[in-house]
Amino acid sequence: DTEVTQTPKHLVMGMTNKKSLKCEQHMGHRAMYWYKQKAKKPPELMFVYSYEKLSINESVPSRFSPECPNSSLLNLHLHALQPEDSALYLCASSHPANTEAFFGQGTRLTVV
Amino acid sequence: GENVEQHPSTLSVQEGDSAVIKCTYSDSASNYFPWYKQELGKGPQLIIDIRSNVGEKKDQRIAVTLNKTAKHFSLHITETQPEDSAVYFCAGSNTGNQFYFGTGTSLTVIP
Repeated sequence: DTEVTQTPKHLVMGMTNKKSLKCEQHMGHRAMYWYKQKAKKPPELMFVYSYEKLSINESVPSRFSPECPNSSLLNLHLHALQPEDSALYLCASSHPANTEAFFGQGTRLTVV
Repeated sequence: GENVEQHPSTLSVQEGDSAVIKCTYSDSASNYFPWYKQELGKGPQLIIDIRSNVGEKKDQRIAVTLNKTAKHFSLHITETQPEDSAVYFCAGSNTGNQFYFGTGTSLTVIP
């Protein structure tokens, strides 16, 4: 099983809303990632969790708040987003250190 | 940090022909190079990867070559089929937890 499951698949939210994106994997991976992807662009790294601890934050605005409740789950809490934050948000997981990273299908987020 | 360049940005081939996509990287410490295929509305799918201690790897119609000295690696798809049409991203990694993606190649296979 090489599946990373993301929910919801689509999300429309207002600029004053609070919402959360969820990601789950059961491959025993101890590194989990959030990426943001705009149309016709490569994925951009936002956050990396390694062994449930935040190891990389690519200077992401505080309106994005990641959380890793356990080794299988990764959340991204959203608050006071801007229309330019509309994008495909991708979750990925891997064993730590240079091994295959598997991506979920993404959450298509639209901020209105 | 690492800088990965990818060419071409678009590629059209006739069904049955071969397609080649090339990437260069800047950080000589990079040692893991995956290739991803992304279809419209889906997440990237790992299709093949190569590590710096290997020069070539093949999986059916897909192969990747790596030239460490020149710091470039290439994806080769033979006997292309319409279902190969997608955006392909190369990536490089030197720390294990950070992948640097190329800018992507939109491949169209014409039936």
